[in-house]
Amino acid sequence: NAGVTQTPKFRVLKTGQSMTLLCAQDMNHEYMYWYRQDPGMGLRLIHYSVGEGTTAKGEVPDGYNVSRLKKQNFLLGLESAAPSQTSVYFCASSPNRGAGANVLTFGAGSRLTVL
Amino acid sequence: AQKVTQAQTEISVVEKEDVTLDCVYETRDTTYYLFWYKQPPSGELVFLIRRNSFDEQNEISGRYSWNFQKSTSSFNFTITASQVVDSAVYFCALSEVWGAQKLVFGQGTRLTINP
Repeated sequence: NAGVTQTPKFRVLKTGQSMTLLCAQDMNHEYMYWYRQDPGMGLRLIHYSVGEGTTAKGEVPDGYNVSRLKKQNFLLGLESAAPSQTSVYFCASSPNRGAGANVLTFGAGSRLTVL
Repeated sequence: AQKVTQAQTEISVVEKEDVTLDCVYETRDTTYYLFWYKQPPSGELVFLIRRNSFDEQNEISGRYSWNFQKSTSSFNFTITASQVVDSAVYFCALSEVWGAQKLVFGQGTRLTINP
């Protein structure tokens, strides 16, 4: 089992460029999340999804869009990158019921630098 | 709103010492989950424990132990006889039991174990 896979692992962008981060999970989890990690601030929730075709805003959604067209994939888009979006991005997923409910499985992270 | 505070930004101890990481939380929910995650230098997030607010029993797993005190809204983590491999950033987190199960993280504590 691969678990949660994020691509790309590293990316450097120029201000104003766009890009998409891809998250794929093979555990048939209903819930998926995108977090960003910045020094001294822990992880903050950007957007999340409770099922295929649904998305919702988290704590810091501005400047990002997401889509969940397939249950196993959750895409995070930056339409016009800004230096303030330089961060490490983590995708996570969890089942919505059972013993594993509420326990998030995280991807390895994607380090994004915006110049 | 939910909030998690880890007041200790960095801790440095000598190997074999015991060390306690503090976590204080705020929530209006009567039921909730508390978590600890470990982030080693490699960067991935590793789940350590989930505690239901109904269960105030302390838990021990090898050299790790957790002290949950609802009266003081604290969920502290102790490593006994620390080892160099314990060096990592540790995050405390809180989530709702129902709904989207979003995790709210503390700022993290960087633990360095010196040989």
